[in-house]
Amino acid sequence: DGGITQSPKYLFRKEGQNVTLSCEQNLNHDAMYWYRQDPGQGLRLIYYSQIVNDFQKGDIAEGYSVSREKKESFPLTVTSAQKNPTAFYLCASSLVTLRTEAFFGQGTRLTVV
Amino acid sequence: DAKTTQPPSMDCAEGRAANLPCNHSTISGNEYVYWYRQIHSQGPQYIIHGLKNNETNEMASLIITEDRKSSTLILPHATLRDTAVYYCIVRAFNSNSGYALNFGKGTSLLVTP
Repeated sequence: DGGITQSPKYLFRKEGQNVTLSCEQNLNHDAMYWYRQDPGQGLRLIYYSQIVNDFQKGDIAEGYSVSREKKESFPLTVTSAQKNPTAFYLCASSLVTLRTEAFFGQGTRLTVV
Repeated sequence: DAKTTQPPSMDCAEGRAANLPCNHSTISGNEYVYWYRQIHSQGPQYIIHGLKNNETNEMASLIITEDRKSSTLILPHATLRDTAVYYCIVRAFNSNSGYALNFGKGTSLLVTP
């Protein structure tokens, strides 16, 4: 089955530790995205990538980093510089066109204690 | 990007049609109207999208006014499993966000028995 997979579903970390969230897709999509969602809010764009080895900051990139070494993978690192890392993180992918939909993973819920 | 306005919440009786409105009065000619929904703690699910014409698929119908300033998502026979937050998104290419979807707060639809 084609799709987009995020792992793990739940993640707990201690304050001050970096943590990397995984996102893999086998849809042959060039574009991938990371969003953050806080309770009762819509999704906010963290980073996006439209091609391998290139990525751009979204609206709330501070405290996060990404890499795009392979077309299928777009991992997100939540660094210790992120002041409020506890949130629901969603990854998506799409073709680089407006004409077809983007697909979302099932999310990773990160809790920092 | 064109902004969208949706009512914060709506109710619908099971078996009835759910009609979810969306205003997008500043939409441009090459911008698409997309609808997604999100069930609690899951990734957003694509429903339908359109440019100018009305669209129908197995999930829903999308009615876009002739001037494209508003649209309505119709779930023809709502079930309890349709209870979710529904997002209307005007999607455009943006130099700051590429082809990313820009999520607002959506409409929380409650389907009641």
